[in-house]
Amino acid sequence: GAVVSQHPSRVICKSGTSVKIECRSLDFQATTMFWYRQFPKQSLMLMATSNEGSKATYEQGVEKDKFLINHASLTLSTLTVTSAHPEDSSFYICSVAGNYGYTFGSGTRLTVV
Amino acid sequence: DQQVKQNSPSLSVQEGRISILNCDYTNSMFDYFLWYKKYPAEGPTFLISISSIKDKNEDGRFTVFLNKSAKHLSLHIVPSQPGDSAVYFCAASASGTSYGKLTFGQGTILTVHP
Repeated sequence: GAVVSQHPSRVICKSGTSVKIECRSLDFQATTMFWYRQFPKQSLMLMATSNEGSKATYEQGVEKDKFLINHASLTLSTLTVTSAHPEDSSFYICSVAGNYGYTFGSGTRLTVV
Repeated sequence: DQQVKQNSPSLSVQEGRISILNCDYTNSMFDYFLWYKKYPAEGPTFLISISSIKDKNEDGRFTVFLNKSAKHLSLHIVPSQPGDSAVYFCAASASGTSYGKLTFGQGTILTVHP
């Protein structure tokens, strides 16, 4: 399967600041990546589908202006949480999909204080 | 609307016995199903998958059964080991021939006692 690197693994930021999370496909050219969010003791919820070279597709209820996704190359997708607030504190996970199946990053724990 | 449901929040099993984790779905368009194992603060790790054209898939200690008429799938782990203790998620995709987005269940915490 693919090797996916996600970082940072954890970040603490002040309310009102922006945070960027990177997801890299190290050995596979990923035209599609997915971004999920998991609140404590809950399921993984899909936020958006990131398509290389085009705009991301956001799930209902996810603010595209708040969660900016850039997929400028076949190996890198970034998720920027803009003007973060405490309610954005969560575990964010990226995923790469391809003929081998799905591979997930190790996740990013975001805490907004 | 929870399209994928894992109704058992937790399961406790003795080492060496069978663990059976259950999952139900409502979307008849789902045609590909997966099971993942997850530890806190880590990404999910793939365990096993099954296509809707099959009713069983086996890989070592892990077997997944799919009952399409009941919209139900289950993961059997035999024999269970303490290292299997984790949160298990089932996931489904309505992807046809391509890999589309996954819809996850709520997860089941499996504890295997020595």
